[in-house]
Formats: sequence, structure tokens, C-alpha cells
Amino acid sequence: GAVVSQHPSWVICKSGTSVKIECRSLDFQATTMFWYRQFPKQSLMLMATSNEGSKATYEQGVEKDKFLINHASLTLSTLTVTSAHPEDSSFYICSARGRQTGELFFGEGSRLTVL
Amino acid sequence: GQQLNQSPQSMFIQEGEDVSMNCTSSSIFNTWLWYKQDPGEGPVLLIALYKAGELTSNGRLTAQFGITRKDSFLNISASIPSDVGIYFCAGQLPGSGYALNFGKGTSLLVTP
Repeated sequence: GAVVSQHPSWVICKSGTSVKIECRSLDFQATTMFWYRQFPKQSLMLMATSNEGSKATYEQGVEKDKFLINHASLTLSTLTVTSAHPEDSSFYICSARGRQTGELFFGEGSRLTVL
Repeated sequence: GQQLNQSPQSMFIQEGEDVSMNCTSSSIFNTWLWYKQDPGEGPVLLIALYKAGELTSNGRLTAQFGITRKDSFLNISASIPSDVGIYFCAGQLPGSGYALNFGKGTSLLVTP
């Protein structure tokens, strides 16, 4: 079946640095990708919706200048956490909607720890 | 986004017991989905519901899309230890463009 892959799975960085997380649809084209954030023992919260070739749509309260999203192709979206701080430590999960079937698939998640 | 009210928050049961959890919302949803998430991994789709009143099974799992389109339940029959995990309901609001609103999750523990 279709697979969505995220990289890296784990990342530890120093406060003030920027971190890029990739989300790839491996065997299908994704017109839309979604980025979620999940704090420990909490639910997934939608951060932004990313459409290929256009600017991402951010949810209320999510800083677009801090969480840069690029959806450069139908199989790749990236989330860059700029000038990361400890409060940005979280589990970031992407999902991708298949262009053909419309099905939604989730990545394995990327755990970010900012020291 | 719209928060779904999921209950119970956690369940601690013995192997072989049946489990039921549900989600409610004040808003109407087009689609209800149930996911399971293991620690450190992304959610995995269990059942998707697309029509009000729809009752769908996937092995020992059964889920229903409420008639009012504001609620859904998930039942797990004859639970086994590998059912342990966190179960999330998720819904798609009309016009949301396939973005999902998640419930807060039900943590399930199954003892042998």
C-alpha cells in the first residue's frame, strides 16, 4: 500500500538552530500534505495545510515565519523549524492525500528535541 | 480547529473483554475516522466512515458514523494484548479540505 515517509525520525538540536523535516509520499502523488504537532500524551493538532506549488495555509496561532513549509513537488513537503527553542520540542507528523484515490496516509512522525 | 470530545480517556481491561469508546462534537462532520497510535509512531488508520448511519467492521473492530453526523463509536471485541495503544477519533469538517480534527485519544491497556 501507499507509504508516507518522514525524515529524520529523531532529531536533537541546540536552541537557536533550524531543523528541517521531510515528508515524502513514496508511491503516490500527493496534492495536499498536512503537518501536525503532538505534545506528549496529547492529541494531534493541525499546524498547516500544504498544497503543491502554492503557499501553505496555517492554522490560527501557528507562526508561519517560525514553521516554514515548502511543498515543492507532488511527493515532497518540508517543515523547517527556524530558531528552535525547547518549547518547540514535540512530535511532528505529516499526512498526505493521494492525488488519484483521495486517501489520507500518515507518516511515522519526527521527534524533535531542542536542548 | 474543532475539538472532538473523546471518551473514555483511558481503559484498563483484561484480555478477552470487549471495549467501547466514542467521540462527540457540536459540529457536523463529513467523515469519521478511527486511528491507533503506538508510542513514537504515526497514527494508523483502522476504520473510515463516510455516511451517516454507516456501520463498518474491520476484523474485531466495529465503528459507526452517528445519524446526526456529530458522533461516532468504536468497539473492539475480544481484546488481545496487542490492542494496547492510543486510539484517536478524527473527523473532517465540511469544506475543511481533508484536514482532520482529532479527539484527545483513549489509552487502552490490556492485561493477559
